Amino acid sequence: GENVEQHPSTLSVQEGDSAVIKCTYSDSASNYFPWYKQELGKRPQLIIDIRSNVGEKKDQRIAVTLNKTAKHFSLHITETQPEDSAVYFCAASPRSGGSNYKLTFGKGTLLTVNP
Amino acid sequence: DGGITQSPKYLFRKEGQNVTLSCEQNLNHDAMYWYRQDPGQGLRLIYYSQIVNDFQKGDIAEGYSVSREKKESFPLTVTSAQKNPTAFYLCASRLAGGDNEQFFGPGTRLTVL
Repeated sequence: GENVEQHPSTLSVQEGDSAVIKCTYSDSASNYFPWYKQELGKRPQLIIDIRSNVGEKKDQRIAVTLNKTAKHFSLHITETQPEDSAVYFCAASPRSGGSNYKLTFGKGTLLTVNP
Repeated sequence: DGGITQSPKYLFRKEGQNVTLSCEQNLNHDAMYWYRQDPGQGLRLIYYSQIVNDFQKGDIAEGYSVSREKKESFPLTVTSAQKNPTAFYLCASRLAGGDNEQFFGPGTRLTVL
């Protein structure tokens, strides 16, 4: 089955700096890669996702890059703000392939943005 | 809130008791999932269901059971066989197909006294 590794487990940055979180996956059949943000005590919420037919996707201060050859994808947050502080999860799943549509999640990165 | 509800928000259980966590969705989603979250452990999959009357074990199914009698509902029972049930439980759902967004419910925090 799929295995997703996420690094670092904790990340502390100064307000205004950039933050990068990296994930690797093992199953070459995976072609959907979402990123979730979870604030303390809340549910995870999708912030951005990428499909394997594109290499990069941006949404304001957030971007995700994908390297299918190397089987890794990254989340980039620019101009970080204190409200970006949360746990971020990467995930991977196949887009098709019978009934196995389950997402495999990384273990999460606790991002702290210091004012 | 994504149309997924979980109840109760907080649940306390005595050792040796079974307890059932509710998950309902009105999004007409085909697939539903149960995750357990412990500090530093990420999201671990307990059970999932792609269609009504069918479900599969996830990575940590021991001590848990589920049913999927209706498309909208996917209750999780934590049995007395689960040795360490205190955790935050998250339900999720998504449309069929691997590249559709997965929505999470607000979670149930279970504490065993």
